[in-house]
Amino acid sequence: EVQLVESGGGLVKPGGSLRLSCAASGFTFGNAWMTWVRQAPGKGLEWVGRIKSKADGGTTDYAAPVKGRFTISRDDSKNTLYLQMNSLKTEDTAVYFCTTDRALGAFDIWGQGTMVIVSS
Amino acid sequence: QSVLTQPPSASGTPGQRVTISCSGSRSNIGSNTVNWYQQLPGTAPRLLIYSNNQRPSGVPDRFSASKSGTSASLAISGLQSEDEADYYCAAWDDSLNGVVFGGGTKLTVL
Repeated sequence: EVQLVESGGGLVKPGGSLRLSCAASGFTFGNAWMTWVRQAPGKGLEWVGRIKSKADGGTTDYAAPVKGRFTISRDDSKNTLYLQMNSLKTEDTAVYFCTTDRALGAFDIWGQGTMVIVSS
Repeated sequence: QSVLTQPPSASGTPGQRVTISCSGSRSNIGSNTVNWYQQLPGTAPRLLIYSNNQRPSGVPDRFSASKSGTSASLAISGLQSEDEADYYCAAWDDSLNGVVFGGGTKLTVL
């Protein structure tokens, strides 16, 4: 079964850090481009960033609000995607979803999401 | 303010056809393909349409979409109660070098 399972969410103070993980199974993770999307409570979807497959360079792109604070990485040996979040702000409070990325905004497999709350 | 503009709400009765619009600009919809997502309450989004008008396997053919210039639209025919959900459009934006989403349209089946 094709599956993505996020973990690592929780409550963190402003200025703090958190690392999210996304465990993949049921498909060839190493060949996949992967993306993080977030959704603030009661709000719409927001693209966070993506990482290409190593075969396509393994490069990353980020949305302006998180650039310089968030880092996306992958460990293909563990079929796991990561999102390192530093200097967290209250406006980063959201459910964070990992997805597979067909490119150009087509995200076809989604995890269930993990909640991040940034509050003092 | 979302880069892509969708109406905040839409509604229809069972069996009706409804359309949801998505307006962008030259740097996103005007230059790249459009994708649509359905998000049922309390669940993760689901890819409904990719590459302007392609349905992933498992998506009923009641769902269709089109694109013209810097706008796109999603059509749902034979509306069913289980179609009540939030719908989002998305596209790559060449100027922002990232994916942009519409603000979402809440579809109510009356």
